[in-house]
Amino acid sequence: AQSVTQLDSHVSVSEGTPVLLRCNYSSSYSPSLFWYVQHPNKGLQLLLKYTSAATLVKGINGFEAEFKKSETSFHLTKPSAHMSDAAEYFCVVETGANNLFFGTGTRLTVIP
Amino acid sequence: DTGVSQNPRHKITKRGQNVTFRCDPISEHNRLYWYRQTLGQGPEFLTYFQNEAQLEKSRLLSDRFSAERPKGSFSTLEIQRTEQGDSAMYLCASSSLRGRLVGTGELFFGEGSRLTVL
Repeated sequence: AQSVTQLDSHVSVSEGTPVLLRCNYSSSYSPSLFWYVQHPNKGLQLLLKYTSAATLVKGINGFEAEFKKSETSFHLTKPSAHMSDAAEYFCVVETGANNLFFGTGTRLTVIP
Repeated sequence: DTGVSQNPRHKITKRGQNVTFRCDPISEHNRLYWYRQTLGQGPEFLTYFQNEAQLEKSRLLSDRFSAERPKGSFSTLEIQRTEQGDSAMYLCASSSLRGRLVGTGELFFGEGSRLTVL
């Protein structure tokens, strides 16, 4: 079965410093992986997706993620945090049953 | 606004009452999903429709839950005899898979309907 594990429930960074949100996946085959973001009182929004093309995936708002099969990881990064990045981030894997399995989320706090 | 719309946004009810949530997907999307999100957790899959057909239901969807999408457009999620454990955010999402046989593609989520059972 496909699943993801988000290694940090809460990450705090200073504005202008790099962001790293960690995610490991478990899959019996090459997975489709996603990062979604949830701002307070807003719907979940797709940041980026990996579907077995390039291993480095660029998303919206300067975020990117790298698929590393040898490490079964799909970490989300951004070179410089902005105050507007404060939100809940979910690592997601597409299951073989045509739905999505969400991780437990990482809350990103950006300190001014 | 042409996004996914959910109503009501908030519902407070007493234990044992029935509640119904409505979801209007993006108009050209043929797939519609329901998820449940409890505090501090990621969304959990409940069920999905392709057009009007309900193709899969999670084990989380007990007999008290029923979902419909009668004309392949909007969908309703009804919870009968609500329990305090049903308190959660119920999320609806839609996607378009025309030309694809499998996979979810990108899901577009609504803002959710928050249920509080007293």
